[in-house]
Amino acid sequence: QSALTQPASVSGSPGQSITISCAGTSSDVGSYDLVSWYQQHPGKAPKFLIYEVTKRPSGVSNRFSGSKSGNTASLTISGLQAEDEADYYCCSYAGSTTWVFGGGTKLTVL
Amino acid sequence: QVLLLQSGAEVKKPGASVKVSCKATGYPFTSYYLHWVRQAPGQGLEWMGIINPSSGITTYAQEFQDRVTMTRDTSTSTVYMELRSLRSEDTAVYSCVREAADYSASSGYYYRRAFDIWGQGTLVTVSS
Repeated sequence: QSALTQPASVSGSPGQSITISCAGTSSDVGSYDLVSWYQQHPGKAPKFLIYEVTKRPSGVSNRFSGSKSGNTASLTISGLQAEDEADYYCCSYAGSTTWVFGGGTKLTVL
Repeated sequence: QVLLLQSGAEVKKPGASVKVSCKATGYPFTSYYLHWVRQAPGQGLEWMGIINPSSGITTYAQEFQDRVTMTRDTSTSTVYMELRSLRSEDTAVYSCVREAADYSASSGYYYRRAFDIWGQGTLVTVSS
C-alpha cells in the first residue's frame, strides 16, 4: 500500500485560506468516504481534525473543512492564524481493515 | 479522562526485538479498536496495524506482516506491540491510537475509521 500524496509544504498569510491536497487511488480515497485529517505541532501527538471527509469532531474550529473529489481529498483552513502553523496529515481507510497515511504537509504562516 | 499511557523509551541493537505497552484508561477497553502508528525522525506517519481488544483479532500492514505481533491483556486494559528483527530504519516513535466511535443504546458502537485519542508515543532507537 503506497502512501497518499500530499504537497511537502504550503504557506499563507494570516487571514487567508489555504488548501492541502491528498491524492490517493481508486483503492483507498476513491473507494471510501473515510478520509481523516490530523494536525501535528513539533514534538506533539497528532490532533484529530476531520473524519469521514467532511465531519469535524467536537471542539475543532469550523475554520477547518474537508472535501473530496474522485481520488483526491482536500483540507481547507480559512482565516489562517499563527497557531495553525504545523504539519498536516491525511489518512484513508484502504479496505480489508487497513489504513494508509499521506506523507504530510508543512504549513507555514507567513 | 480518556488516556493511552505508553511504556518508556527503548534502545535496541539490530536484530533484537522490542515490546511496547499501551494502557488504556477512562473508557471501556474492549469497546474501541486500537491501532499502532509509527513516525521515524523527521518523517511522516505510518500505519502498522489494528487490534480488537475484545476478540484479540489483528490485522497488520503488509510491510510488517512477518515481524510484528499485537496482543492485549483485558485484565489490565493494556495492548502490546512487539516488533522483531529490528534494523536501524525501525528507529521511530511508536504510538498507540484509539479508533473513534459513536455509541447509541439502540445501535451500539459505530466505528469512524479515524483516530481520536493518541498515546504519548514511545521512542525506539535501534543502534549498534
